[in-house]
Amino acid sequence: GQQVMQIPQYQHVQEGEDFTTYCNSSTTLSNIQWYKQRPGGHPVFLIQLVKSGEVKKQKRLTFQFGEAKKNSSLHITATQTTDVGTYFCAGPTSGTYKYIFGTGTRLKVLA
Amino acid sequence: DAGVIQSPRHEVTEMGQEVTLRCKPISGHDYLFWYRQTMMRGLELLIYFNNNVPIDDSGMPEDRFSAKMPNASFSTLKIQPSEPRDSAVYFCASSLDTGGNTEAFFGQGTRLTVV
Repeated sequence: GQQVMQIPQYQHVQEGEDFTTYCNSSTTLSNIQWYKQRPGGHPVFLIQLVKSGEVKKQKRLTFQFGEAKKNSSLHITATQTTDVGTYFCAGPTSGTYKYIFGTGTRLKVLA
Repeated sequence: DAGVIQSPRHEVTEMGQEVTLRCKPISGHDYLFWYRQTMMRGLELLIYFNNNVPIDDSGMPEDRFSAKMPNASFSTLKIQPSEPRDSAVYFCASSLDTGGNTEAFFGQGTRLTVV
């Protein structure tokens, strides 16, 4: 079945450093979504990318969808302590709404 | 809207007992998802519904698990009989297909502990 892997699994950064998480799917996705889950909380939607090669920005966050629509990345510039949490990508195989979540990347930001 | 509402927030039960988790999706949403989260397996999609109809239940781990959506405003996930390995946080999420953005809104989750 469809598998979505993320690397790295964990990342500790000093406040102000940049952070990137990579998402790779075993199948082509119709779109990719990114979520953030704070410790003890629930996943919260960040963004959705649909087009091949699409790049979107939200303040310090930059999201990219690969040309083959099988991979994606999230880059955070100048991390802050409020960025702490686990970042998940999620996507459905084309033609379905079966959103499979990636393995997640847990980010810790040291002040 | 109050968002997706799940109950109970916490459930502790003994092995062999029946457990029912409840979810009220956001009004007007046409998709409902049940996920299970554990440290070992991450966030697993168990089942999803479209307009109250189960579309894909291939993630339901065993026959002990069943889910229903009798109407657009209510869904249940039942485990009978429960086992210690079912201990996890169970999330319900709903979304509306607007032809573009299919953002899922998650409930607060039910933390299930089976002893």
